[in-house]
Amino acid sequence: GQNIDQPTEMTATEGAIVQINCTYQTSGFNGLFWYQQHAGEAPTFLSYNVLDGLEEKGRFSSFLSRSKGYSYLLLKELQMKDSASYLCAVRDRASGGSYIPTFGRGTSLIVHP
Amino acid sequence: DVKVTQSSRYLVKRTGEKVFLECVQDMDHENMFWYRQDPGLGLRLIYFSYDVKMKEKGDIPEGYSVSREKKERFSLILESASTNQTSMYLCASSLRQGRNEQYFGPGTRLTVT
Repeated sequence: GQNIDQPTEMTATEGAIVQINCTYQTSGFNGLFWYQQHAGEAPTFLSYNVLDGLEEKGRFSSFLSRSKGYSYLLLKELQMKDSASYLCAVRDRASGGSYIPTFGRGTSLIVHP
Repeated sequence: DVKVTQSSRYLVKRTGEKVFLECVQDMDHENMFWYRQDPGLGLRLIYFSYDVKMKEKGDIPEGYSVSREKKERFSLILESASTNQTSMYLCASSLRQGRNEQYFGPGTRLTVT
């Protein structure tokens, strides 16, 4: 099984930087995803890490340390529209040979003016 | 543009009814998933399928069954709906190999009274 932990809620100010952490324990790690989910909407893919290091994509970056079982999502120049839930998902091998992700409970980010 | 559609956005059913939730994807994805999402519990996997007629149980399969007769369609069946199955149900699809990020449908909010 897997154990994925991320903070329940975070608040930040417009224009600031925020880091959302995710720690995990898994028996067969095969990649980590971050998704964004606005209230009442479906999750949408943000980033993917399978090797250690930082992946940058515009205002969003994601970091992975496999030895520490740790990832973070970094959001820069925060905008009000970044208020959403951020889901960490760890991919592991399931029975039958497929790789499927398990989701953390999500971090609700509130950006205020 | 990739697309995952679900048959209903909102559904109200009575206890004991048989309920069908349909999901269709147009991306020729091998993997399809059914999740339920509840406040404070995050996304929990009910069933997934990695090929036509293939299915595997997720973390919470009790009270549910699935059907995948065609590659593009994955159905979730509640044999006898109960009030504790009131939830948001999300369907997703992905490729079987590579980065295989998931694409989610808009969700079905099911209320069982």
